[in-house]
Amino acid sequence: GAVVSQHPSRVICKSGTSVKIECRSLDFQATTMFWYRQFPKQSLMLMATSNEGSKATYEQGVEKDKFLINHASLTLSTLTVTSAHPEDSSFYICSARDSAGGLETQYFGPGTRLLVL
Amino acid sequence: KQEVTQIPAALSVPEGENLVLNCSFTDSAIYNLQWFRQDPGKGLTSLLLIQSSQREQTSGRLNASLDKSSGRSTLYIAASQPGDSATYLCAVGETSGSRLTFGEGTQLTVNP
Repeated sequence: GAVVSQHPSRVICKSGTSVKIECRSLDFQATTMFWYRQFPKQSLMLMATSNEGSKATYEQGVEKDKFLINHASLTLSTLTVTSAHPEDSSFYICSARDSAGGLETQYFGPGTRLLVL
Repeated sequence: KQEVTQIPAALSVPEGENLVLNCSFTDSAIYNLQWFRQDPGKGLTSLLLIQSSQREQTSGRLNASLDKSSGRSTLYIAASQPGDSATYLCAVGETSGSRLTFGEGTQLTVNP
């Protein structure tokens, strides 16, 4: 099946710094990628939909100036957490949509664990 | 707004048992439904994808059914093994290629 990678897998940073997380589709092109956040013992909550070559669509309650999304190519989307604070500590997971063959399938990355001190 | 509920929240069974995980959703106008497995601290592994026109999908010891009209899906695991221990998530997609709405998961423990 298709593979989606995320980098880094784990990051620890000081409060106030910015952190960039990369999501790559390794063997297919993805015009759409999704960014989710998962707090401990909770389910995945969609943060934003990332469309190649256009602005991301953010879910209600997600600050677009704090969570910057860039989808500059068909295989890469980045999420930058700006001026991170301890409450941003979470597990961030991306997914990429493979539209080949007319069957829309989402493939998920392995996630990035962010800890803000 | 679509809401997805999974019951039970946690389940502990002895090895070898057959078990059923339940998922319900409030808006029956879905495009597809997917079951995932998540190991602690890891990403998601897709188990089964059921299109809205389908009633069930099978993969090995797993069988997922979908009753769209009643807003329900079940994941049946036959002859459970300790390696099946994980959190199982149900998610619905409302249009082709749209975002997924997830349930809160069922944490399964299979005891040897």
